[in-house]
Amino acid sequence: IAGITQAPTSQILAAGRRMTLRCTQDMRHNAMYWYRQDLGLGLRLIHYSNTAGTTGKGEVPDGYSVSRANTDDFPLTLASAVPSQTSVYFCASSEFSGSTDTQYFGPGTRLTVL
Amino acid sequence: GQNIDQPTEMTATEGAIVQINCTYQTSGFNGLFWYQQHAGEAPTFLSYNVLDGLEEKGRFSSFLSRSKGYSYLLLKELQMKDSASYLCAVADSNYQLIWGAGTKLIIKP
Repeated sequence: IAGITQAPTSQILAAGRRMTLRCTQDMRHNAMYWYRQDLGLGLRLIHYSNTAGTTGKGEVPDGYSVSRANTDDFPLTLASAVPSQTSVYFCASSEFSGSTDTQYFGPGTRLTVL
Repeated sequence: GQNIDQPTEMTATEGAIVQINCTYQTSGFNGLFWYQQHAGEAPTFLSYNVLDGLEEKGRFSSFLSRSKGYSYLLLKELQMKDSASYLCAVADSNYQLIWGAGTKLIIKP
């Protein structure tokens, strides 16, 4: 059982390029989340999905988009990357949303935008 | 606004006890989580408190006072592997997690 996987592990990207970060979970969790983690700041929610077919905006959604075509996959797309999007990105999942279920995190993607 | 405060860094000695504090101001409260994050790794769940009082789980305990907007994580019999960041997070009225910046705990032999 892998839990949550993310790809790539790390990436250096030129500003203006499009990039998709992949996230897959095998726990059949309904809810999935994308966070970014920056030094000196707490994890900040970018987008979330309560169940397949639905998505919602978090605290810092600008410049990012997501889709949830099925239960397992929740890709995050940067349409035109900017240096301020340099960060570590974590995908997470929980059995249900709107509850206090534990969130399980993927290993993260370290993204550098030059 | 919503705010979670915790110390940036703490140092403790192997075998000792350390208490990491967390204060919060959020729109609504549906529980408080503690997560552990080793450098370069993902956060992993440690504890959850929704009622006032102390929850004990092995060497780790977590305390909550809702009236004071305050929690602490107590780590006993510290081991070198406990060197990590400890993240405090509160579930707000919409059940979204609001995260503190984390406390980096350094354990010295």
